Amino acid sequence: EDKVVQSPLSLVVHEGDTVTLNCSYEVTNFRSLLWYKQEKKAPTFLFMLTSSGIEKKSGRLSSILDKKELFSILNITATQTGDSAVYLCAVERGGGADGLTFGKGTHLIIQP
Amino acid sequence: NAGVMQNPRHLVRRRGQEARLRCSPMKGHSHVYWYRQLPEEGLKFMVYLQKENIIDESGMPKERFSAEFPKEGPSILRIQQVVRGDSAAYFCASSQGLRRTEAFFGQGTRLTVV
Repeated sequence: EDKVVQSPLSLVVHEGDTVTLNCSYEVTNFRSLLWYKQEKKAPTFLFMLTSSGIEKKSGRLSSILDKKELFSILNITATQTGDSAVYLCAVERGGGADGLTFGKGTHLIIQP
Repeated sequence: NAGVMQNPRHLVRRRGQEARLRCSPMKGHSHVYWYRQLPEEGLKFMVYLQKENIIDESGMPKERFSAEFPKEGPSILRIQQVVRGDSAAYFCASSQGLRRTEAFFGQGTRLTVV
């Protein structure tokens, strides 16, 4: 059975801090790994990663994948209160018709 | 994403009643996925449908749950004889093609069984 494990489950930091969120996975026939941000509503897409070692960046957010060690990290620099959310990691399996397998998420709280 | 419309946003049902959740995909999207998010848990895949076809229902409970995506109209997730454990947020996502990574999520329906 596919597994996605995120850590930490929750994290409280102060505005301006840098955070690193972790996602490890076990999946048959891995195809891609995705990060979503969920703020009490629909998850919104952040990144899709398919290749090891290539950093994806969007503003203060960045993410990288290690396919050998089977994990990904999501970094947020200079955090703001608007970054407070649950960050979800999901993996996609190739060749199948099933949906994504999600982790339980990291609940990030940014204090002013 | 505002393009995928789910209704109702909140639904309260008594134990034993039926719950019907609707999902209208983004314009031009013919693939729909339903996910369930239980308290303190991540999203879990339930079913994947294309117009008039169930492609994969491996995540659906074997009893009381069914889904359809008719030629015309929204996709429906139906839960018969609801129990307290069915209380959760149900999310629908749609995509244009097979790549579920390009799917956009709706706002979700929060089902509460009392």
